[in-house]
Amino acid sequence: NAGVMQNPRHLVRRRGQEARLRCSPMKGHSHVYWYRQLPEEGLKFMVYLQKENIIDESGMPKERFSAEFPKEGPSILRIQQVVRGDSAAYFCASSRGELDNQPQHFGDGTRLSIL
Amino acid sequence: GDSVTQMEGPVTLSEEAFLTINCTYTATGYPSLFWYVQYPGEGLQLLLKATKADDKGSNKGFEATYRKETTSFHLEKGSVQVSDSAVYFCALIPKGGNEKLTFGTGTRLTIIP
Repeated sequence: NAGVMQNPRHLVRRRGQEARLRCSPMKGHSHVYWYRQLPEEGLKFMVYLQKENIIDESGMPKERFSAEFPKEGPSILRIQQVVRGDSAAYFCASSRGELDNQPQHFGDGTRLSIL
Repeated sequence: GDSVTQMEGPVTLSEEAFLTINCTYTATGYPSLFWYVQYPGEGLQLLLKATKADDKGSNKGFEATYRKETTSFHLEKGSVQVSDSAVYFCALIPKGGNEKLTFGTGTRLTIIP
């Protein structure tokens, strides 16, 4: 029973390029969450999605960042025109969402480095 | 807004020592509380949780009790091992919220043999 799968594990981009981070939730999970972890800091919520819907994007920067969770395929976090400050670990989590406060299962993260 | 305050690290202990990592929270109502552990280069793993006051979560020798009177959820272990070296995060989900986790800043624990 595969867990939450994120790819790539490591991504290097130059300033101004685009970064695409992928997340496949656990089987049977329809809720996806993205978090960002800056060096030596805790995780900060970015966005919460269900299939084809953004439920809460209160943690997303207003510009350059977008997320989707299409009917088919993985969830994608997209960062356009990356800057040095985007360097961080980005974690995806998933849950069933059927009951209140179901534990979220985390992937191993994508470590984004901006040159 | 909701927040979690964790004991700052890093914490270094000898093997078999007693561990306490303090965690207090601010939230409306009674949130669910969690401890997650992050090993180097990996994602977060749920260590334990408690969903209502006076509940005690436990796993792998770790325990934490939900104390509403002190709004705390301190993590304890009676005898730590080298393999417990990791970063520990306290977190909450507000009651009736949309399940997004609010994390503390994490406490790095190093156990020396």
